Amino acid sequence: GENVEQHPSTLSVQEGDSAVIKCTYSDSASNYFPWYKQELGKRPQLIIDIRSNVGEKKDQRIAVTLNKTAKHFSLHITETQPEDSAVYFCAAYVYGQNFVFGPGTRLSVLP
Amino acid sequence: EAQVTQNPRYLITVTGKKLTVTCSQNMNHEYMSWYRQDPGLGLRQIYYSMNVEVTDKGDVPEGYKVSRKEKRNFPLILESPSPNQTSLYFCASSLSWQGTYEQYFGPGTRLTVT
Repeated sequence: GENVEQHPSTLSVQEGDSAVIKCTYSDSASNYFPWYKQELGKRPQLIIDIRSNVGEKKDQRIAVTLNKTAKHFSLHITETQPEDSAVYFCAAYVYGQNFVFGPGTRLSVLP
Repeated sequence: EAQVTQNPRYLITVTGKKLTVTCSQNMNHEYMSWYRQDPGLGLRQIYYSMNVEVTDKGDVPEGYKVSRKEKRNFPLILESPSPNQTSLYFCASSLSWQGTYEQYFGPGTRLTVT
């Protein structure tokens, strides 16, 4: 089955710097890759996603890139702010099968 | 208000006592699923359902049962809970299993089995 790895497990950045979180997946049939943000004590919420036929997608300060050949995708957050502090999860999905999530990255943005 | 609801939010029970966690969505979503969240392991899918009467196992189905008799409800059943099922559980739903649709998560149910 699908396996998703995520690095780093923890990440600390200064406010205003950029943060990058990387994920790799094993099943080449995966065709949807969402990223979720989970604040302390809250439910996960989608922040950005990308389909397998797209290489890059951007939404304001957040971007995701996908390299299907290498089977990895990355989350980029620019101009980080304290409210970006949270746990971030990547996931991979094959249509009609199950979602597989990475173990998460705890991002701390230091003022 | 569009939402996914779960009940109860907190539950402490003893080993072997059957329990059900309910999940309901009011968005007419086809796809529903259950996850458990444990420190360092992320979210692991237990079961999912692509539509009424269609369910399938996720990555960690052992010890759990589900049913999907109505589109809006997807209960999670633990027939004989054990301490290793102590976890934070999330129900989620999305419009369809086809294509790229956002999963909406419920508020979570924190289960402790002693």
